Amino acid sequence: GQQVMQIPQYQHVQEGEDFTTYCNSSTTLSNIQWYKQRPGGHPVFLIQLVKSGEVKKQKRLTFQFGEAKKNSSLHITATQTTDVGTYFCAEYNYGQNFVFGPGTRLSVLP
Amino acid sequence: NAGVTQTPKFQVLKTGQSMTLQCAQDMNHEYMSWYRQDPGMGLRLIHYSVGAGITDQGEVPNGYNVSRSTTEDFPLRLLSAAPSQTSVYFCASSRVAGGPGNEQFFGPGTRLTVL
Repeated sequence: GQQVMQIPQYQHVQEGEDFTTYCNSSTTLSNIQWYKQRPGGHPVFLIQLVKSGEVKKQKRLTFQFGEAKKNSSLHITATQTTDVGTYFCAEYNYGQNFVFGPGTRLSVLP
Repeated sequence: NAGVTQTPKFQVLKTGQSMTLQCAQDMNHEYMSWYRQDPGMGLRLIHYSVGAGITDQGEVPNGYNVSRSTTEDFPLRLLSAAPSQTSVYFCASSRVAGGPGNEQFFGPGTRLTVL
C-alpha cells in the first residue's frame, strides 16, 4: 500500500541553527501537504505543493517538491523556540485520500 | 466562524462500553474525516465523507461507525470500546476532497482512554 516515510524521526537543534525534514513516498505523488502540530495541539496546515520541482517560501520556511514528485523537504532557517513541534507531510492520492507520514519532532534549545 | 469543533475533549471508558465522539464544522466544507493519532505513528485515517449521505472507510475502520446526515456534522461511534482504541482522535474538514483547496482544518481533538 501507499507509504510515506519521514526522516529524521527526532531532531534537536540549538536556537539559530537550521533544520530540515524529508518526506519520501513509495509512489509518485499528485500533491503533498505539510502540517505543523505544536505539543498538545492539533495539526495546522502550512502549505501544499503540486508541481514537479516546486519551491515555496514562508518567511524562514522553505518547502520543496522533488523533480520526480516522489519526495519533498521542509527547511527552516535560523530556528526559533516557536518552531518547536512535529512536522508532518501528507500526500493525497485520489481514491485513497490522505496518507500522513509519521512526522519529525523538532525541539529547539534556547 | 468556530471552525471545527469536537466534544468531548477527554473521555474515559471501560472495555465494552459504547460512545459517540461529536464533530461539527461551520465552514460548509464537503469533505470531513476522522483520524486517530498514536505515539510515533502519525495520523491514521479511520473514516471519511465527501458529502452528506456519503461515507467510506479509511485505513483503520474496524470498531468504528460513522454517518453524515448533514454537511455540518460527522459523528464517530465506538461500538464496543477496547483498550487498543486508546488514542487521540482528530476530526478534520476541507472545502473539497481533492485538488486545490483541499487543505484540512483540524479540530482540537478528543483524548480517549479505554480501561
